[in-house]
Amino acid sequence: DAKTTQPPSMDCAEGRAANLPCNHSTISGNEYVYWYRQIHSQGPQYIIHGLKNNETNEMASLIITEDRKSSTLILPHATLRDTAVYYCIVGPSGTYKYIFGTGTRLKVLA
Amino acid sequence: GAGVSQSPSNKVTEKGKDVELRCDPISGHTALYWYRQSLGQGLEFLIYFQGNSAPDKSGLPSDRFSAERTGGSVSTLTIQRTQQEDSAVYLCASSLDRSGYQPQHFGDGTRLSIL
Repeated sequence: DAKTTQPPSMDCAEGRAANLPCNHSTISGNEYVYWYRQIHSQGPQYIIHGLKNNETNEMASLIITEDRKSSTLILPHATLRDTAVYYCIVGPSGTYKYIFGTGTRLKVLA
Repeated sequence: GAGVSQSPSNKVTEKGKDVELRCDPISGHTALYWYRQSLGQGLEFLIYFQGNSAPDKSGLPSDRFSAERTGGSVSTLTIQRTQQEDSAVYLCASSLDRSGYQPQHFGDGTRLSIL
């Protein structure tokens, strides 16, 4: 089961871009990279996912390296409401187990 | 439309009692997942259903834990003879299917406290 590594915490100034890195060096060829975020006492919220190509939606952009061993989630203009724990996960594996890890605690500062 | 609904939102019970947690997935979603999140920790995968079948139950922490899904919809997670270490938030998620194209959508969980 592929695992991910993320920094435990990051700060970002309000209005600036937040760039959250994730390492997934054991990712297999058919596994996707997913990003979720969790605001205190709520369930995780889906943000974006991708396989090989970079992806963009109304919430964020996902940049995946060519070797697929790492990725970066970009929140282009962070707001105070983006303060949350951000999880990077890969899957689905053959065993269906998505391993979330402890994520990155992003704090957006006014 | 309605999201994933979990009930109860909070449950406090005494050690040794049985508890049943319920998950109503998004209508039409065939895949359903249960996770456990202890205080300050990440999510621990418990079990996955495709339709009514659970291909892999090895994520369940002990034989006191069981889960079922009926009619390809509602799922229940049952914990027998609860222990204090079972205290956690139990999260349910559903997706349209288990292909990589379909992300999981989570409920807000059941916060279980064992006294």
